[in-house]
Amino acid sequence: GENVEQHPSTLSVQEGDSAVIKCTYSDSASNYFPWYKQELGKRPQLIIDIRSNVGEKKDQRIAVTLNKTAKHFSLHITETQPEDSAVYFCAEEDSNYQLIWGAGTKLIIKP
Amino acid sequence: NAGVTQTPKFRVLKTGQSMTLLCAQDMNHEYMYWYRQDPGMGLRLIHYSVGEGTTAKGEVPDGYNVSRLKKQNFLLGLESAAPSQTSVYFCASSPSGVSYNEQFFGPGTRLTVL
Repeated sequence: GENVEQHPSTLSVQEGDSAVIKCTYSDSASNYFPWYKQELGKRPQLIIDIRSNVGEKKDQRIAVTLNKTAKHFSLHITETQPEDSAVYFCAEEDSNYQLIWGAGTKLIIKP
Repeated sequence: NAGVTQTPKFRVLKTGQSMTLLCAQDMNHEYMYWYRQDPGMGLRLIHYSVGEGTTAKGEVPDGYNVSRLKKQNFLLGLESAAPSQTSVYFCASSPSGVSYNEQFFGPGTRLTVL
């Protein structure tokens, strides 16, 4: 069946440095790839998404890139800050418009 | 505007007991979802609903039942709880099943089955 692999499972970066999280997917027909952020003890919330007709999307310090040929997409966070510490989930939308989720990446920002 | 709410926030059950989790949304969303979240496994879809009176199975439906009698409410039932159902349960809603729709999550219910 369809699945999404997310790497790394844990990422520790120095405050101010950049962080990159990568996901690969199996369904070549997928057209929508959102990223959700879940702070400790809180609910997941959408932070950015990308559709298959574009290769990159930016929103301030956050960007997402998509390579449909290789079937992978990545989340880039620049100038990391303490409030970026959280678990990040990628997902792909299947043919029934349901989301298939990655296992999550715990991002730790070191002061 | 409360968004998506869940009741209860915490619950401890003994093996074999039953319970119902309630999800409510005030955004007039058509689609509603129940997920479970376990460490290292991300979010797994249990059941979902595409509108009032409809339900459908997700990735891990065994041991759970759902009902959507009113558009704003989505109930998740455990008829005979098992320790393997210890998890955090999240409800979510979205405007419709049409592509590119954001899912809005509730605060979660932490369930422990002893």
